[in-house]
Amino acid sequence: GNSVTQMEGPVTLSEEAFLTINCTYTATGYPSLFWYVQYPGEGLQLLLKATKADDKGSNKGFEATYRKETTSFHLEKGSVQVSDSAVYFCALSPTGAGGTSYGKLTFGQGTILTVHP
Amino acid sequence: DTAVSQTPKYLVTQMGNDKSIKCEQNLGHDTMYWYKQDSKKFLKIMFSYNNKELIINETVPNRFSPKSPDKAHLNLHINSLELGDSAVYFCASSLNFGPGTRLTVL
Repeated sequence: GNSVTQMEGPVTLSEEAFLTINCTYTATGYPSLFWYVQYPGEGLQLLLKATKADDKGSNKGFEATYRKETTSFHLEKGSVQVSDSAVYFCALSPTGAGGTSYGKLTFGQGTILTVHP
Repeated sequence: DTAVSQTPKYLVTQMGNDKSIKCEQNLGHDTMYWYKQDSKKFLKIMFSYNNKELIINETVPNRFSPKSPDKAHLNLHINSLELGDSAVYFCASSLNFGPGTRLTVL
């Protein structure tokens, strides 16, 4: 079956530091890959996605590249802010015909990020 | 305009009670889901409905019964609540999540 593994947290950084959160996956076929963010006390927001190999998803200064050869989708940001403190989830989904429909999401265990001023 | 809405946001109840959580989406998607987030933040799919029809049931106890009166709504009814049911329940429509319902069973 499908699975997603994220780096163990929590991760604590100073403001303006570089962020990497590792994510690797196991899946049949050609899944779509996602990063979600959950701010304290809130629901999940889709941060970025990539639907095929070598695609780069980006949003709010975050980016991740779909690497089929290493089955990875690592999240990076060049300079984190205190407001980036949240839990980050890597996820995958089967991709439907045309690449625009998706199935159920399989999530990694989440990585807690805390950014200090 | 809220894309995926859930009510209530918080639900505190006694063991053995029956409760429902409502979910509505205005995105026009055919497929809706319920996910459970446990105390360690782990998220797992519970159910999926496509156009009012159940397509995924991930070995959830039959005390949990989803109901979809139309493709814009997917409600979750839970019978005989147990302590272990305490969690945050998220409704989703395709990739869009609702704000979650924090269920506490005492």
